[in-house]
Amino acid sequence: DIQMTQSPPSLSASLGDKVTITCQASQNINKYIAWYQQKPGKAPRQLIRYTSTLVSGTPSRFSGSGSGRDYSFSISNVESEDIASYYCLQYDNLYTFGAGTKLELK
Amino acid sequence: QVQLKESGPGLVQPSRTLSLTCTVSGFSLTSYGVSWVRQPPGKGLEWIAAIWSGGSTDYNSALKSRLSISRDTSKSQVLLKMNSLQTEDTAMYFCARSYGYNFFDYWGQGVMVTVSS
Repeated sequence: DIQMTQSPPSLSASLGDKVTITCQASQNINKYIAWYQQKPGKAPRQLIRYTSTLVSGTPSRFSGSGSGRDYSFSISNVESEDIASYYCLQYDNLYTFGAGTKLELK
Repeated sequence: QVQLKESGPGLVQPSRTLSLTCTVSGFSLTSYGVSWVRQPPGKGLEWIAAIWSGGSTDYNSALKSRLSISRDTSKSQVLLKMNSLQTEDTAMYFCARSYGYNFFDYWGQGVMVTVSS
């Protein structure tokens, strides 16, 4: 089974900041990683697929990069509506989620 | 439009079997896969099981011995059964759609399951 190590568990940011979350897979996942946003009481919402492709409707301040085992997800110019939890998901071999990152306002 | 809706008992006693149903609309189960994902209160997401468009299935290896996923294409439903429930199985259970072995593009709203006597 592929393990996904996501960090940090929590982030505190001011409006307008840039924040970055990382996920490291236990093996090469061939860029098959997606990123999700989840707000309390809601289902996750997909933001990025295949490392860096923004899903329709995802604002351009969101971005993703990486290859092999190491991937990152960034939000530039954090807005109040971005306050949520974020999860990575590998789908190279079945599915594994990262543990999540909770983004809070400083 | 694409919709998925979970349904289930809400409260289940320890050691009993949980049965959940995901009713879908706006797409065919013979063209898309459907997975179950759960989230204990205040914790992260965990993929549980998938049934693919061809009808084959896959399970989370840690839970495999307790799980069964199936579908009724005539009713557009995906069924999940989990036996030997424990309190740590208390969670929100979501069903989600994937195109092939792809990421999840649509999710249901989730159904809360509490395991308690």
